Amino acid sequence: DIQMTQSPSSVSASVGDRVTITCRASQGISNWLAWYQQKPGKAPKLLIYAASSLQSGVPSRFSGGGSGTDFTLTISNVQPEDSATYYCQQANSTPRFGGGTTVEIK
Amino acid sequence: EVQLVDSGGGVVQPGGSLRLSCVASGFTFDDYTLYWVRQVPGKGLQWVSRISWDGYSTDYADSVKGRFTVSRDNTKNSLFLQMNNLRIEDTALYYCSKDMSPNSSGWSDSWGQGTLVTVSS
Repeated sequence: DIQMTQSPSSVSASVGDRVTITCRASQGISNWLAWYQQKPGKAPKLLIYAASSLQSGVPSRFSGGGSGTDFTLTISNVQPEDSATYYCQQANSTPRFGGGTTVEIK
Repeated sequence: EVQLVDSGGGVVQPGGSLRLSCVASGFTFDDYTLYWVRQVPGKGLQWVSRISWDGYSTDYADSVKGRFTVSRDNTKNSLFLQMNNLRIEDTALYYCSKDMSPNSSGWSDSWGQGTLVTVSS
């Protein structure tokens, strides 16, 4: 099984900051990675797929990068509504999610 | 508009069974792979199962293999998860979700609202 490790587990940022979240796969997964945003009491929402493709309707301040084993989700100019938990998910083999990163807006 | 409505959760004793359902609308149901994902309240997401568009291919997380069975009825736009021999650690909110692509990308672009399963004596 491919394990997914996210870091940090939480981050605090001010409005307008740039936030970067990292996801590492235990073995290479090419670009078979997605990022989801989940707000309390809500289902997850797909933000990024294929490592760097922006899902329709998602603000352009969200971007993804990486391939192989190391991936990033970057939120540029973070906004109050970006307060949420973010998960990576690999789809190269049996799907697995990372442990999540909680973004708090100061 | 794509809609997925989960139901069937409840309280069950360890060793018991439950059958979850997910009714879909707003897309061509039998074109897409479907998934079950669960989340212990306050914890992270855990992928549980998937089923191909035609129901012939299924896959399970190791933690539920042999106890859970996923199925679908394309005539009724419905997805099911039969959960047997439930354990306390199966307590979670269960979501159904839809693949974003008819080519089965592995990623979910639409989700149900979740149905809560509580396993407790």
